[in-house]
Amino acid sequence: AQSVTQLDSQVPVFEEAPVELRCNYSSSVSVYLFWYVQYPNQGLQLLLKYLSGSTLVKGINGFEAEFNKSQTSFHLRKPSVHISDTAEYFCAVIRTDSWGKLQFGAGTQVVVTP
Amino acid sequence: GAGVSQTPSNKVTEKGKYVELRCDPISGHTALYWYRQSLGQGPEFLIYFQGTGAADDSGLPNDRFFAVRPEGSVSTLKIQRTERGDSAVYLCASSLEEETGINQPQHFGDGTRLSIL
Repeated sequence: AQSVTQLDSQVPVFEEAPVELRCNYSSSVSVYLFWYVQYPNQGLQLLLKYLSGSTLVKGINGFEAEFNKSQTSFHLRKPSVHISDTAEYFCAVIRTDSWGKLQFGAGTQVVVTP
Repeated sequence: GAGVSQTPSNKVTEKGKYVELRCDPISGHTALYWYRQSLGQGPEFLIYFQGTGAADDSGLPNDRFFAVRPEGSVSTLKIQRTERGDSAVYLCASSLEEETGINQPQHFGDGTRLSIL
């Protein structure tokens, strides 16, 4: 069994401020880790992924995430947000024994205000 | 267009009716996935196709749900005897096929919003 927990359902943040979105997972086997973004009335877009190697991964739009195996976490960060970053963000995993099947967390709504 | 196309974008129907949701994947993508996203939740996996065959249908909630991909391109998700609990956004994704399913990203469509009255 596995689960993905996003610890914050909503994160309000001011423009140009930093933001961190927290994600923890549990799994009986190794997993690959992903962050997706969903803009209103649109599908999901891949921000970044961790497969192996360096635990700090950089993605699109200035986002980065750090994999921490001991804490089973994969938190997403951006040092300075824009209004256009207002969206829902989903953490997801793929089990290493399961072809392509993404399991998502419940999502974190980021609201950026001026 | 170059992306995953889902039709219709919105579907409203009455409880008990039959519905079909269509997904046109990106040309050349042999892997196709269906997910369901209920209000306030993340997407949940339903079924995955490699070519024409369903490689994993473990996420289909019950036998009212069925999906086909007869020619290895377009896929149709079919729901019989719809219930109010089926109301959700149904998302389709496609990717180039590769061994682990992780190096080729899944490209998502905008979804079909299904409302059962």
